[in-house]
Amino acid sequence: GENVEQHPSTLSVQEGDSAVIKCTYSDSASNYFPWYKQELGKRPQLIIDIRSNVGEKKDQRIAVTLNKTAKHFSLHITETQPEDSAVYFCAATSSNTGKLIFGQGTTLQVKP
Amino acid sequence: EPEVTQTPSHQVTQMGQEVILRCVPISNHLYFYWYRQILGQKVEFLVSFYNNEISEKSEIFDDQFSVERPDGSNFTLKIRSTKLEDSAMYFCASNRQGRSGANVLTFGAGSRLTVL
Repeated sequence: GENVEQHPSTLSVQEGDSAVIKCTYSDSASNYFPWYKQELGKRPQLIIDIRSNVGEKKDQRIAVTLNKTAKHFSLHITETQPEDSAVYFCAATSSNTGKLIFGQGTTLQVKP
Repeated sequence: EPEVTQTPSHQVTQMGQEVILRCVPISNHLYFYWYRQILGQKVEFLVSFYNNEISEKSEIFDDQFSVERPDGSNFTLKIRSTKLEDSAMYFCASNRQGRSGANVLTFGAGSRLTVL
């Protein structure tokens, strides 16, 4: 069945450094890949997404890259700040119903 | 900015009791979803709903679960006989169009269910 693997499970960086989170997906028909940020006790919030006809997308300090051949996509956060500390989830979908399959999450800690 | 609203924010119930979680999706959205998140784990898809019927459901969504859109605004998740392992945060989400990539999911704040 559909599966999304996410690594690492935890990531600790110094403020100002970059952070990279990687995901792989199993369904080659997947064509939409969002990234969500979830703060403790809060709802997942979309931070960036990419569609399968694009290889890279950037929004200020956040970028996402997609390699369809290898079936993996990555989130890059540059110049990290303490407020970037949260759990980040990748997701993928190929479903006509818009169902998302989530990765296991990465707990990012940015140390001041 | 339009929001998905959920009630209650937290419900405590005894094992075997029925629970109904309520959601009001964004008004012009057509696809509705329930997801759950067990504490410390990933977000898991339960069910999607379109045109007054279930369009897709996961293995988690067994006969103990049901969904309903009783009126033009509410979207409910019912658990008939709760089990300890149903304890989780339940998120409602909506989407204007279900086709993958056509639009993004907007999540509600969640309903935390604790089964004792």
